[in-house]
Amino acid sequence: GENVEQHPSTLSVQEGDSAVIKCTYSDSASNYFPWYKQELGKGPQLIIDIRSNVGEKKDQRIAVTLNKTAKHFSLHITETQPEDSAVYFCAASKGPGGSYIPTFGRGTSLIVHP
Amino acid sequence: DAGVIQSPRHEVTEMGQEVTLRCKPISGHDYLFWYRQTMMRGLELLIYFNNNVPIDDSGMPEDRFSAKMPNASFSTLKIQPSEPRDSAVYFCASSFAGGTDFFGPGTRLLVL
Repeated sequence: GENVEQHPSTLSVQEGDSAVIKCTYSDSASNYFPWYKQELGKGPQLIIDIRSNVGEKKDQRIAVTLNKTAKHFSLHITETQPEDSAVYFCAASKGPGGSYIPTFGRGTSLIVHP
Repeated sequence: DAGVIQSPRHEVTEMGQEVTLRCKPISGHDYLFWYRQTMMRGLELLIYFNNNVPIDDSGMPEDRFSAKMPNASFSTLKIQPSEPRDSAVYFCASSFAGGTDFFGPGTRLLVL
């Protein structure tokens, strides 16, 4: 089955700095890669996603890049703010035949210091 | 829509007791997932349903765990008997056509 590795497990930055979280996946058939943000006491919430026919996607301060050949994808957050502090999860899935059932990484705890 | 609704939000019980967690998915979603989150194992998929039918329960840890989805708007996850190692946060999530999962707020379970 699919295996998703996520690094780093903890990331501490100063407000205004950029943060990068990296994930690798093992199944070359995976074609959908969502990123989730989980705040304390809440469930994970989708913040951005990318499909395998796209190399990069951007939404304001966050962006995701995908390298299908190397089977890795990354989340980039620019101009970090204290409210960005949370646990971020990457996931990989395949569909529609695989029903997009995600395999999650172990998560990255991002701490943004004011 | 109110999003995925889970109850209770917190549950404290004693070892050996039966625990029932409840979930109401987003209206119109045809997939429902139960996840368990712990520090040691991260986010684990326990079981998922498509159109109320269980599709894959290979993540269910053992026979003490069971899940049902009697209709499109309700699902339960039952643990009987509960054990301290079952302590975790249990999330329900739903999606349309197996796309992006929308997670509920979770049930924090503590088994003493």
